[in-house]
Amino acid sequence: KAGVTQTPRYLIKTRGQQVTLSCSPISGHRSVSWYQQTPGQGLQFLFEYFSETQRNKGNFPGRFSGRQFSNSRSEMNVSTLELGDSALYLCASSAGQEATDTQYFGPGTRLTVL
Amino acid sequence: QKEVEQNSGPLSVPEGAIASLNCTYSDRVSQSFFWYRQYSGKSPELIMSIYSNGDKEDGRFTAQLNKASQYVSLLIRDSQPSDSATYLCAVRDSNYQLIWGAGTKLIIKP
Repeated sequence: KAGVTQTPRYLIKTRGQQVTLSCSPISGHRSVSWYQQTPGQGLQFLFEYFSETQRNKGNFPGRFSGRQFSNSRSEMNVSTLELGDSALYLCASSAGQEATDTQYFGPGTRLTVL
Repeated sequence: QKEVEQNSGPLSVPEGAIASLNCTYSDRVSQSFFWYRQYSGKSPELIMSIYSNGDKEDGRFTAQLNKASQYVSLLIRDSQPSDSATYLCAVRDSNYQLIWGAGTKLIIKP
């Protein structure tokens, strides 16, 4: 099975712009979670989508939004970029229903805001 | 507020010794526990999962779970320099969300 893929892998934007990141989960997985990771920091949970619905949400401002399509692919959007949004954005997928489900990560998108 | 606590380290262990990584969690009803390894600049990868009290062994890795004490640990036997990484503990809550610890940085000294 192909793993989780994320595009683009690297992105450079300027303050005030917006950005859209894409994630394709493992085939058959219906849950997609997004995380932000800054240098030396742990994983900060953004949100989780299951069957096109946001099931869980972290403590991020409304500038961060996401959606999931019927094929389980997901996109994350950040509007009005700030310097502090520079980070590695990780997407992870899992089957979506059992407590024992393993979450598999994509390679991440490294966003730099200038 | 559901929390997962880990010692941030760094934890320095000589090559060939046993590395012991610990994690405590606050949500008493949690059922599933995961250890991930993350190399610098890379994404996390699953090392082990554990769901029942006791020990679970996989090669050089042993996960230990004590639900009464709300404690989960990871032992790495015969530590190798390639084990140097940050180890993340994750606990799944009743809403399916994974709650993550901040990670322990492990350094294996040759």
